[in-house]
Amino acid sequence: DAGVIQSPRHEVTEMGQEVTLRCKPISGHNSLFWYRQTMMRGLELLIYFNNNVPIDDSGMPEDRFSAKMPNASFSTLKIQPSEPRDSAVYFCASMPGLVGNNEQFFGPGTRLTVL
Amino acid sequence: AQSVTQLDSHVSVSEGTPVLLRCNYSSSYSPSLFWYVQHPNKGLQLLLKYTSAATLVKGINGFEAEFKKSETSFHLTKPSAHMSDAAEYFCVVSTGFQKLVFGTGTRLLVSP
Repeated sequence: DAGVIQSPRHEVTEMGQEVTLRCKPISGHNSLFWYRQTMMRGLELLIYFNNNVPIDDSGMPEDRFSAKMPNASFSTLKIQPSEPRDSAVYFCASMPGLVGNNEQFFGPGTRLTVL
Repeated sequence: AQSVTQLDSHVSVSEGTPVLLRCNYSSSYSPSLFWYVQHPNKGLQLLLKYTSAATLVKGINGFEAEFKKSETSFHLTKPSAHMSDAAEYFCVVSTGFQKLVFGTGTRLLVSP
């Protein structure tokens, strides 16, 4: 199994530009999570999906952030327009839908730098 | 609400000496608890998890943790540190609604 795949691994962009981060969860996993990690705030849950449906987006910082999961094998996190304070590492994680198994498997992350 | 507190932001040990990373939790019911490790510029990897079975949980790379309800603690230990253990360690509690709540992390430094 390839694990959770994220792309790109690094992204450098200028303020005001649109940024799209991509995630492919582990095949067969029913839940997908987007996290942001910064030095100041640590790891924060932004949004998560169950069976491709957004369940909780209370962690999304503002309307500039949006996430979609059009099918079970793909999700995107979009920032439009981007700002320097969005610079962080963004992680995607997936979880099996088995009762009693709440282990999340993390991708390698996307390091975003907004200049 | 569920939460975890990692009592040390940094822990320094010498190679070959024991490791102790401390974590206290707060939960209104029997929690699921995890320890994740993050090596520099890497994603998070599960070390071990507690889900109300045995209170002493063994994980990968020689790590283990003991769930102590009376002390609301879930400390991570390893008998002998290796240089490759240098990383950031996160204590995590599950809210029961699939969401995980992460501690602030403990950076483990291992000197030769």
